[in-house]
Parts: sequence; C-alpha cells; structure tokens
Amino acid sequence: GAGVSQSPRYKVAKRGQDVALRCDPISGHVSLFWYQQALGQGPEFLTYFQNEAQLDKSGLPSDRFFAERPEGSVSTLKIQRTQQEDSAVYLCASAPSGGSNLAKNIQYFGAGTRLSVL
Amino acid sequence: AQKITQTQPGMFVQEKEAVTLDCTYDTSDQSYGLFWYKQPSSGEMIFLIYQGSYDEQNATEGRYSLNFQKARKSANLVISASQLGDSAMYFCAMRERAYSSASKIIFGSGTRLSIRP
Repeated sequence: GAGVSQSPRYKVAKRGQDVALRCDPISGHVSLFWYQQALGQGPEFLTYFQNEAQLDKSGLPSDRFFAERPEGSVSTLKIQRTQQEDSAVYLCASAPSGGSNLAKNIQYFGAGTRLSVL
Repeated sequence: AQKITQTQPGMFVQEKEAVTLDCTYDTSDQSYGLFWYKQPSSGEMIFLIYQGSYDEQNATEGRYSLNFQKARKSANLVISASQLGDSAMYFCAMRERAYSSASKIIFGSGTRLSIRP
C-alpha cells in the first residue's frame, strides 16, 4: 500500500488477555519501529527491526511484550497478560535504508492501534 | 542522554496568522536529525519537516520552515498563513545520526495548536 497500515485500529482487552497488533510497512522499507504513546504524551520507542532482525528492544517495558518480523515485512507486537498500564496507542513506523542524503531516511508512521485494557 | 523540550502545551492562533512552535533539544552528539510531526485527531503522525545537524540552511517545506539555531540548541517550527486544518498536536523530535534509518526517534511532549476562524 501507499502508507503504513496498522490493524486493528481499536482493541479492547480484559486484563490478563493476550493481544496481537499488526503493522504492514511501506513496501521496500527495511527499517521498522514500534512506539508506545500514552494519553497526552509523545511516543516512546519500544523496538526496532532491520529486515527480520530485531536489533534494538531496549524500550520494551517488560517481558510480556514481544515483537517479531519473520519475513522482513509485516510485524506483530504481542502483549501477554495485559495490564491496565498497557493502555496506550501503539504506533508503527517504517523507513527506507541506504538512501542518499536526500532521502533523509524519514520514519513514516501508521495511524496506530488504540489499546484499552479494562 | 538526548532530550526534547516543548514548553507550550497549547496555543491559539487566528486563521491566516503565522505561528511559531518552540522546541529545544539536548544532545552530546555531533550528528543528529531534527523533525517535526503533526498528529491530528485521527492519530496518524504526519511528517512535516526535517533538519540535519550539518545542514547550513534552514529547512523549508511549503508553509513550514524550521528555524534552526544550533548554538542555542533550538529548532522552532514556523507555520506561515495558518489554516483551520492546521489544528492538531505538533511534536518536535530528534534522531541521533543525521542520515541513519537505524536510529530511534526521541519525541517531545507536544504542543496542541488550535486555529480560530
């Protein structure tokens, strides 16, 4: 597609339930990022993939959070045993790689998945 | 550690007026990139403008310009001739390594801009 696509747009989960959030990046983009945005705040980095390799997962808040990108395109962020503090918007971004300086390697974001844990 | 500071939680501006959104940053890196993103109520983060730390001229993109003052570590966004559709949250952000796609972005807390008709 033309942009980064995320699904579902909205997810309501009961506390303790597992959830899976999907990100479909811009075709050909090598880099993929996940961010968490709490209400009224700026996004915060969770994890980064280059192709299928997860190169940085320093932002994942706990071992309940797991991300994968097995074929280097679509990525899934999984949250196990959800807690109320997990309620947030989860944003995915993709960026090209190896471009010229003019490419600037801008990160392009999807519309996010709003997760509400009851 | 890198940090972005946006000191204006909210601003009201009359339609067609120019507006400046403030942003200061802190980093010990020599190579970094500065961004502004717009987030309307729909939730998507829309890229507006980018300034690399080595760029000598201020970046411009249509009605958007970035007032980059490296010595003061500021990267203010100027929107000329504001429109009703400019009403949104605006985030200043920074990335280490100006031209690397591998670097995460650090965001400020945002400024909510409201345009009055």
